[in-house]
Amino acid sequence: AQSVTQLGSHVSVSEGALVLLRCNYSSSVPPYLFWYVQYPNQGLQLLLKYTSAATLVKGINGFEAEFKKSETSFHLTKPSAHMSDAAEYFCAVSPSPRKLTFGTGTRLTIIP
Amino acid sequence: DAGVTQSPTHLIKTRGQHVTLRCSPISGHKSVSWYQQVLGQGPQFIFQYYEKEERGRGNFPDRFSARQFPNYSSELNVNALLLGDSALYLCASSFDKGQGEEQYFGPGTRLTVT
Repeated sequence: AQSVTQLGSHVSVSEGALVLLRCNYSSSVPPYLFWYVQYPNQGLQLLLKYTSAATLVKGINGFEAEFKKSETSFHLTKPSAHMSDAAEYFCAVSPSPRKLTFGTGTRLTIIP
Repeated sequence: DAGVTQSPTHLIKTRGQHVTLRCSPISGHKSVSWYQQVLGQGPQFIFQYYEKEERGRGNFPDRFSARQFPNYSSELNVNALLLGDSALYLCASSFDKGQGEEQYFGPGTRLTVT
């Protein structure tokens, strides 16, 4: 079964520093991968998705992720953290149409 | 266009009671999926409906049921509530273009069972 593992339940970075959130996937076939963000007391918002068209995927709010098959990874990055980036981030894989399997999430804290 | 809407926003129920949660998809979306998010965890897939038929079900007991109406809105029903059913219930809609299509989530209904 397809699954994702998020390394680090909590990540803290200084404002202006690089953001790196880690996600590794398990799949025997090319996966469909997603990153979602969840702000407090809100639903999930799609940041970006990988569907094999390009290994480097650019999303909203300056985030991007690189698909690395050799490392089975799909890490999320942003060059410069902003206070508004503080939220919970979820990596997800789509094992079948209209179904998402989520990781356990990473809470990102931005230090002023 | 309005996004996915869910009602109610918050709900408090007692163990053993029944609850109905509602979801209206984005206009034009025919697929609705339901997820349960327990505090501190990622969302877990419960159901998926397309064209009023159940197309997928997660590992949840039969106390959980759902249906989709002709206007593509959906209801999630939970019977005989347990304390462990306390969670944020998320509804997501999509056009149903197939695997790899993004889902759009509503704000969720927070259910507290006492």
